[in-house]
Amino acid sequence: NAGVTQTPKFQVLKTGQSMTLQCAQDMNHNSMYWYRQDPGMGLRLIYYSASEGTTDKGEVPNGYNVSRLNKREFSLRLESAAPSQTSVYFCASIGLAGGLAKNIQYFGAGTRLSVL
Amino acid sequence: AQKITQTQPGMFVQEKEAVTLDCTYDTSDQSYGLFWYKQPSSGEMIFLIYQGSYDEQNATEGRYSLNFQKARKSANLVISASQLGDSAMYFCAQKASGGSYIPTFGRGTSLIVHP
Repeated sequence: NAGVTQTPKFQVLKTGQSMTLQCAQDMNHNSMYWYRQDPGMGLRLIYYSASEGTTDKGEVPNGYNVSRLNKREFSLRLESAAPSQTSVYFCASIGLAGGLAKNIQYFGAGTRLSVL
Repeated sequence: AQKITQTQPGMFVQEKEAVTLDCTYDTSDQSYGLFWYKQPSSGEMIFLIYQGSYDEQNATEGRYSLNFQKARKSANLVISASQLGDSAMYFCAQKASGGSYIPTFGRGTSLIVHP
């Protein structure tokens, strides 16, 4: 059971380059999320998708776009990378269990991105 | 808006001793869940423990327990008999049970366990 799979694990970009971070989950979860983690800032939500076909902005969406390709996959795109986007990126998913509050969020292993 | 506060940026504990990591939350949700995650130096986020707002008993998972004080909006994590492998960042999070799909995270507490 793979859970949440993120690729790549590491990436170095030059300013202005573009790239797409891939995320897939095999738990049949409805909701998927992209976070960035910076020292002392905790996890900040970039975008989320409550269900297949929908996406919404989170706390820090500027400079990013997302695509919910299907129920399994949720990608994050940097169209023109900037040094301020140097961070660790996490994808996560939550399943909905019929009214239960215990919807645990499962995380991918993270992508360490450096923009030079 | 939801808010999670972890007031301890760093904590130190002697191996085999117990340690409490503080978490307070601010929410208008009536039904919600509280979560703790561990992030070791390797970077992955590991789910530790969950507490529902209507659960009457404090949650326990092995050496982890959650000291839930609803009136004070407090959800502290207690680690008993600390081990060297407990050294990590710990994050508290809160999510409404329905309607909102967005968990809110605190900024984390760094725990170092000394031998």
